[in-house]
Amino acid sequence: AQKITQTQPGMFVQEKEAVTLDCTYDTSDQSYGLFWYKQPSSGEMIFLIYQGSYDEQNATEGRYSLNFQKARKSANLVISASQLGDSAMYFCALSAFSGGYNKLIFGAGTRLAVHP
Amino acid sequence: NAGVTQTPKFRILKIGQSMTLQCAQDMNHNYMYWYRQDPGMGLKLIYYSVGAGITDKGEVPNGYNVSRSTTEDFPLRLELAAPSQTSVYFCASSSPIGRAKNIQYFGAGTRLSVL
Repeated sequence: AQKITQTQPGMFVQEKEAVTLDCTYDTSDQSYGLFWYKQPSSGEMIFLIYQGSYDEQNATEGRYSLNFQKARKSANLVISASQLGDSAMYFCALSAFSGGYNKLIFGAGTRLAVHP
Repeated sequence: NAGVTQTPKFRILKIGQSMTLQCAQDMNHNYMYWYRQDPGMGLKLIYYSVGAGITDKGEVPNGYNVSRSTTEDFPLRLELAAPSQTSVYFCASSSPIGRAKNIQYFGAGTRLSVL
């Protein structure tokens, strides 16, 4: 069965510093995807970044990068040059393909606080 | 760009009442999903649909029903509301590419309290 684990309930970082949010996964699929979403205090879920299991390079989107280590089954999110607006919950998700249909499995999330 | 629209944003129900949460998307996505998020937790899948007329249960379907008569709309029905259904409900849509690339786009959520 597919599983996503985020072991850091909360993290804090100083403004302008980089921070890494951990995510490990378990799946028996050969082709799968890993996703990160941001949920600010306003509540909406915002898609940040996607990494395919067969992608040779780590995904990057602006200040976000995904450190994908396939052998370790980890997909950590790196936020560079943190900003106050990065304070939010961050969720890691894994694609699951079962019964012929695509779904996502979400982790429990990590709350990030950016301090000035 | 509307994306995924959910209504209402907030609702308070009495125990035993029923209601429908509305969800509409304008991205022509074939897949639509309903999740619930309990305080301090991640998202749990309630129901999903892979196209008009096709729905299936997710992880926590009890107490809910769905229908999908059009590509755009995917309402979630709560019958006989219970306090355990107090949660934030999210609707999402996607058009997966292959088995892996399933980027889901979310609505703003509906905050529901059952008292």
